[in-house]
Amino acid sequence: NAGVTQTPKFQVLKTGQSMTLQCAQDMNHNSMYWYRQDPGMGLRLIYYSASEGTTDKGEVPNGYNVSRLNKREFSLRLESAAPSQTSVYFCASRHSGNTIYFGEGSWLTVV
Amino acid sequence: GENVEQHPSTLSVQEGDSAVIKCTYSDSASNYFPWYKQELGKRPQLIIDIRSNVGEKKDQRIAVTLNKTAKHFSLHITETQPEDSAVYFCAASIIGKGNQFYFGTGTSLTVIP
Repeated sequence: NAGVTQTPKFQVLKTGQSMTLQCAQDMNHNSMYWYRQDPGMGLRLIYYSASEGTTDKGEVPNGYNVSRLNKREFSLRLESAAPSQTSVYFCASRHSGNTIYFGEGSWLTVV
Repeated sequence: GENVEQHPSTLSVQEGDSAVIKCTYSDSASNYFPWYKQELGKRPQLIIDIRSNVGEKKDQRIAVTLNKTAKHFSLHITETQPEDSAVYFCAASIIGKGNQFYFGTGTSLTVIP
């Protein structure tokens, strides 16, 4: 039981490049989330998926897209990376009524 | 949507002293309040949570109190130890499928040996 697994752990991108962050959970959770964490700003929600087949915008969705591929997987895509997207990204999952569980994080630097 | 405010942003205490972190929320419908601890370079991990039908919950040296009327909740750590040094986040949510978690901005706690 690995919990929430996200890849890659570290990535450096050039401005304008695209990339996809992958996330998978093996806890049979319905809801999945993508957060970004920046110094002094806590955890801000980018997108979430309440269940397979649905996605919704969070607090800071601009510049990102998501795909809920199946119940296990929820990916985050940066189509044209910008330096403002340099951050630590956390994927998380949650079963109804319970707390959320985070992946180990992905450190992204855009130069 | 919900707005969660957390204070203080930084906190230093002597080993053995108590630490208190406070959060307020705006949405009276919120009924679930977890606290997370994040060590440097690691993921946030749940340390304690409380639901709105309970006023206080304790787990060894950690306790959380909730005042629904005033819409605030607090984390209390007693007999602090150096390994308690970390960033602590509060959150508020509504129990149920697909509901968002709203996080505070975090408190960096340093326990001085």
